[in-house]
Amino acid sequence: AQSVTQLDSQVPVFEEAPVELRCNYSSSVSVYLFWYVQYPNQGLQLLLKYLSGSTLVKGINGFEAEFNKSQTSFHLRKPSVHISDTAEYFCAAGGSQGNLIFGKGTKLSVKP
Amino acid sequence: EAEVAQSPRYKITEKSQAVAFWCDPISGHATLYWYRQILGQGPELLVQFQDESVVDDSQLPKDRFSAERLKGVDSTLKIQPAELGDSAMYLCASSGRTGSDSYEQYFGPGTRLTVT
Repeated sequence: AQSVTQLDSQVPVFEEAPVELRCNYSSSVSVYLFWYVQYPNQGLQLLLKYLSGSTLVKGINGFEAEFNKSQTSFHLRKPSVHISDTAEYFCAAGGSQGNLIFGKGTKLSVKP
Repeated sequence: EAEVAQSPRYKITEKSQAVAFWCDPISGHATLYWYRQILGQGPELLVQFQDESVVDDSQLPKDRFSAERLKGVDSTLKIQPAELGDSAMYLCASSGRTGSDSYEQYFGPGTRLTVT
């Protein structure tokens, strides 16, 4: 079955600390991989995407992610977080029909 | 910058009533998606259109939900009758037609539905 697993439902971190949000995907999904951010009562905003090429992908707001085929992972990282990064983050993979399959989300809480 | 438009942003309705949501995708985007996001979960696909045709509606509860995209542009999602379990965020997204563009989806702000 096609699935995306986000290993942490909540990640608390202090401001200016590094953060990693973990994502694993099943081998049955495509290797089109995405990270989206969602602020309360808003839609999803694309942070970054991996379609092909370099396995290290840089996105907006200082985020980056690394595609690891052998570990079927696509973890999201930021070296120094800000209060404004507090939001919910969703990992997604391309399904067989061109749709997206989402993980359950990770709530990032940045504390002062 | 082009955006996906949705209305209304918020809707409160009583169970057994009918509700409808509207979505206008980014101009030129052939593919339109409706997702449902229950609180604390990731979005789940309800229905996918390619132009005016349904590509996938396998997860759409067809006894109460219907969706249309008559001219292949904007779309309406309807629920009749609404049930308490339908309370969720309903997200519309659109994408280009071919290759990897078809996976890069742009989301609207969503409609938050509360059924009382």
